[in-house]
Amino acid sequence: QKEVEQNSGPLSVPEGAIASLNCTYSDRGSQSFFWYRQYSGKSPELIMFIYSNGDKEDGRFTAQLNKASQYVSLLIRDSQPSDSATYLCAVNQGGSEKLVFGKGTKLTVNP
Amino acid sequence: SAVISQKPSRDICQRGTSLTIQCQVDSQVTMMFWYRQQPGQSLTLIATANQGSEATYESGFVIDKFPISRPNLTFSTLTVSNMSPEDSSIYLCSVNRGYGAEAFFGQGTRLTVV
Repeated sequence: QKEVEQNSGPLSVPEGAIASLNCTYSDRGSQSFFWYRQYSGKSPELIMFIYSNGDKEDGRFTAQLNKASQYVSLLIRDSQPSDSATYLCAVNQGGSEKLVFGKGTKLTVNP
Repeated sequence: SAVISQKPSRDICQRGTSLTIQCQVDSQVTMMFWYRQQPGQSLTLIATANQGSEATYESGFVIDKFPISRPNLTFSTLTVSNMSPEDSSIYLCSVNRGYGAEAFFGQGTRLTVV
């Protein structure tokens, strides 16, 4: 059974702080890792993807991947109230086009 | 990216009836995926729809309950059959551009069974 585990949350941070979201996965064959943001009542939207070990930065978002530890994280710098959403970690199932999603971490950024 | 149109966006249905959800993509894709998201939960893959072949169902999902059509490379339907209140969920259509690529989602169908 391929699994993706995330912090159960909820996570609450003050405006301007760094929010740190974590994810571990079980399938060593996974090659692609994604972070989706889902606002309440909306469908998931892609915010970051990462394929190689190390860091990848895009604006206020940084994704970090460590394949040896089977760990991927998302840092949100200068958190804004508009970042309040559920963040889903997704990992491709090795050898297929399927994605496996974690249960999500609900983030609240307090003004 | 991909533009995915899904309809209906929401529906309230009587138990025992069926609902067909449509998913239209703005370009040709090999695989289309159908997910279910129960209240407060993450996404669970129901099945993968391939054009020209039978859909592949995940463990716990069967064709009799969730028949899928894939008549061409831009369109698919999912039917939720003989509905019960336990089928109340958001159903999402998704596509990606190939192995290891990111997935894009339709707007979702919020289904309530009464």
